[in-house]
Amino acid sequence: DQQVKQNSPSLSVQEGRISILNCDYTNSMFDYFLWYKKYPAEGPTFLISISSIKDKNEDGRFTVFLNKSAKHLSLHIVPSQPGDSAVYFCAANENSGYALNFGKGTSLLVTP
Amino acid sequence: DVKVTQSSRYLVKRTGEKVFLECVQDMDHENMFWYRQDPGLGLRLIYFSYDVKMKEKGDIPEGYSVSREKKERFSLILESASTNQTSMYLCASSLRDAGQETQYFGPGTRLLVL
Repeated sequence: DQQVKQNSPSLSVQEGRISILNCDYTNSMFDYFLWYKKYPAEGPTFLISISSIKDKNEDGRFTVFLNKSAKHLSLHIVPSQPGDSAVYFCAANENSGYALNFGKGTSLLVTP
Repeated sequence: DVKVTQSSRYLVKRTGEKVFLECVQDMDHENMFWYRQDPGLGLRLIYFSYDVKMKEKGDIPEGYSVSREKKERFSLILESASTNQTSMYLCASSLRDAGQETQYFGPGTRLLVL
């Protein structure tokens, strides 16, 4: 059963605007969350992470928000650039586990 | 920077062939992972290893085996390749740090089984 869900398979945003990618999870034991970015024919690249003791983490144009009560996290990209066009995967991990649980990904297209 | 390399970017094999995919990491990470990525299915874990000679099944181990004889190297073996194993294969490694797990991925191997 999918424990990490990205319900939007795709998203299109104009250059310069905000991109918001969403992710929901069902396992309350998850305590570390990550976002990866993937271009076609390449491996995923780590983008940003957040621990469950925080509700926000920011790195340049990228901010991740965590709402533990709603079991929801989101990635904000501001301002969006054409080079941000890629598939974004949300992932989660629990302290006792080795493996990450990945969502199915959201394909972001940033148009000029 | 963490570097994870995979032996091939593209491979074409015939049904029934034995296929070896190699992965090497240079950061002395304990954990290594093999995933496959298919459109609409995201990343699915095949096997992982948390130490030399140790292996654990992931979500979809059927038809695959793994080998970890050295810390830096993790091999994925398709014992008898089938067309439904055509996919993008991704290797990752991680250094478990204070309970937080950031995995670093290689460039992937796109395998086509005819």
